[in-house]
Amino acid sequence: SQTIHQWPATLVQPVGSPLSLECTVEGTSNPNLYWYRQAAGRGLQLLFYSVGIGQISSEVPQNLSASRPQDRQFILSSKKLLLSDSGFYLCAWSHGQGGKKLFFGSGTQLSVL
Amino acid sequence: QKEVEQNSGPLSVPEGAIASLNCTYSDRGSQSFFWYRQYSGKSPELIMFIYSNGDKEDGRFTAQLNKASQYVSLLIRDSQPSDSATYLCASDSGYALNFGKGTSLLVTP
Repeated sequence: SQTIHQWPATLVQPVGSPLSLECTVEGTSNPNLYWYRQAAGRGLQLLFYSVGIGQISSEVPQNLSASRPQDRQFILSSKKLLLSDSGFYLCAWSHGQGGKKLFFGSGTQLSVL
Repeated sequence: QKEVEQNSGPLSVPEGAIASLNCTYSDRGSQSFFWYRQYSGKSPELIMFIYSNGDKEDGRFTAQLNKASQYVSLLIRDSQPSDSATYLCASDSGYALNFGKGTSLLVTP
């Protein structure tokens, strides 16, 4: 069966500090990978998605970036965090080749102070 | 702007009753629709999906889709206190899912 691992679970970072969140998927090959953010009182916002190694599409231009160095690894980064980056970050995967169902990791609660 | 709209609630129902959750979507090109359950502080969990007009049943859950009205609903029969959560409706947007803000459901004993 497939599993998705996301870490860390919680993170408190000062404004201006860097960020690195990592996500890995097991038990499947060539998954589509996604980063969503859920801010307080707001819905799930798609940040990035990837259909393959090195292929990243950005939905929201901002100070965040994503990378996919390996087939089942997805990384969300920032060089300098803003207060507005606070939120619940969720990594998700779906089957490649048109899979629509998303399966989420356990999430990272990020607080930027 | 492709949108999925849900009433934020909270929707309060007594234990054993039927809970009815609804959403509307704006993208007529959407072909598939999903319901996720999210407990406070946890990640969303897929509970139902539907592709065709009509009803789809799975245990206590029934998803209903009306493409002409651009309307999706989720019925939860015999509601339990453990069903208390936020329910997110989502539609496919080609490469990802577009989510509503969710409806908070409270099942009271």
